[in-house]
Amino acid sequence: AQSVTQLDSQVPVFEEAPVELRCNYSSSVSVYLFWYVQYPNQGLQLLLKYLSGSTLVKGINGFEAEFNKSQTSFHLRKPSVHISDTAEYFCAVSEGYGGATNKLIFGTGTLLAVQP
Amino acid sequence: NAGVMQNPRHLVRRRGQEARLRCSPMKGHSHVYWYRQLPEEGLKFMVYLQKENIIDESGMPKERFSAEFPKEGPSILRIQQVVRGDSAAYFCASSPTSGGGRTGELFFGEGSRLTVL
Repeated sequence: AQSVTQLDSQVPVFEEAPVELRCNYSSSVSVYLFWYVQYPNQGLQLLLKYLSGSTLVKGINGFEAEFNKSQTSFHLRKPSVHISDTAEYFCAVSEGYGGATNKLIFGTGTLLAVQP
Repeated sequence: NAGVMQNPRHLVRRRGQEARLRCSPMKGHSHVYWYRQLPEEGLKFMVYLQKENIIDESGMPKERFSAEFPKEGPSILRIQQVVRGDSAAYFCASSPTSGGGRTGELFFGEGSRLTVL
């Protein structure tokens, strides 16, 4: 069975500072990995995804993430955050190539709170 | 190009009533997933449907909950005899394909927020 762990429930950071949101996963099969963002009272929007190839993935809004197979991690980073980045961030995993479905397993989320 | 449409956005029910949540997938998508988000928690998978078929309902509570995706019309998540613990945001997501060749991404609606009084 697959699972995702986001150890940090909340990450406070000052505007223009760098940030890293941590994500670790467990799976017995190959995986696809995703980061989604949820703004208050809205649905989820895809930030970026890793399917295969380069382990450094760039997404929207200046975010990037690095897939580390040996550490089973997929941490999200941004070199300089803005107030508008304040939101809940979810890491998710699904079966990789050859998998039967797009079913996603989500972590519990990390609230990124950007302060002026 | 409309995204995933969910309605109602907000629904208030009293204990014992029924709640029906509707989801129209993106155009060209034939796979629908329902998730539940409880306060202060992540999203929990409930059910995966294709047209007229339930593919995976491993996350559905055994009682009171049902889902369908008919040949015509939206997918419906039905909760009978609601209880306060059913209060949550229910999200629908769709994808165009499954199996080989898929890109894995799910496209989410804005959710239906159920409050049980």
